[in-house]
Amino acid sequence: NAGVTQTPKFQVLKTGQSMTLQCAQDMNHNSMYWYRQDPGMGLRLIYYSASEGTTDKGEVPNGYNVSRLNKREFSLRLESAAPSQTSVYFCAMGAQTGLNTEAFFGQGTRLTVV
Amino acid sequence: LAKTTQPISMDSYEGQEVNITCSHNNIATNDYITWYQQFPSQGPRFIIQGYKTKVTNEVASLFIPADRKSSTLSLPRVSLSDTAVYYCLVGGENDYKLSFGAGTTVTVRA
Repeated sequence: NAGVTQTPKFQVLKTGQSMTLQCAQDMNHNSMYWYRQDPGMGLRLIYYSASEGTTDKGEVPNGYNVSRLNKREFSLRLESAAPSQTSVYFCAMGAQTGLNTEAFFGQGTRLTVV
Repeated sequence: LAKTTQPISMDSYEGQEVNITCSHNNIATNDYITWYQQFPSQGPRFIIQGYKTKVTNEVASLFIPADRKSSTLSLPRVSLSDTAVYYCLVGGENDYKLSFGAGTTVTVRA
């Protein structure tokens, strides 16, 4: 997971609390991503940022907001956490390789909402 | 990204070759095919990418027929440590919306 750092690694929230998941990359790549992965399920894209200053919704954006603070950092905010948001959250950065984007992932944040 | 279809799961035994086929009928001319591998409790990692014919690296081979409407990831002589979820993605230069789907869960048994 070299290059992408997520904080925190673990978090427990009470329903209704807010928090921000932080993600930083040190490889100067343009695109960044936030995914969630529920137990036994595939990755679902929450939001992505193709470049600094832009953000777009993914497949499951409801209940989340993002900020592309600068080229290095892309944060994910839960304004009012719900038990349905219990999941593992992965941040990724994208590098252009040829005509495609290769993604590099962080180690994940395990979030539990009680 | 082009829509892809791959099997939900596959079982194998140590030492066998595992072939996972991904269908992508609406692949565009400039699209590449990329495969990722995800172990439990880890984020996915890139394993191989190709445009046409065959690509091989130290982990896997990728076979792409001439019409490019499908591709096959081949894992030679698998071991227990190859148990993972494998994702197929198809996209091109401006495809930043990387959606992974459910992937194929490969279980290798002793």
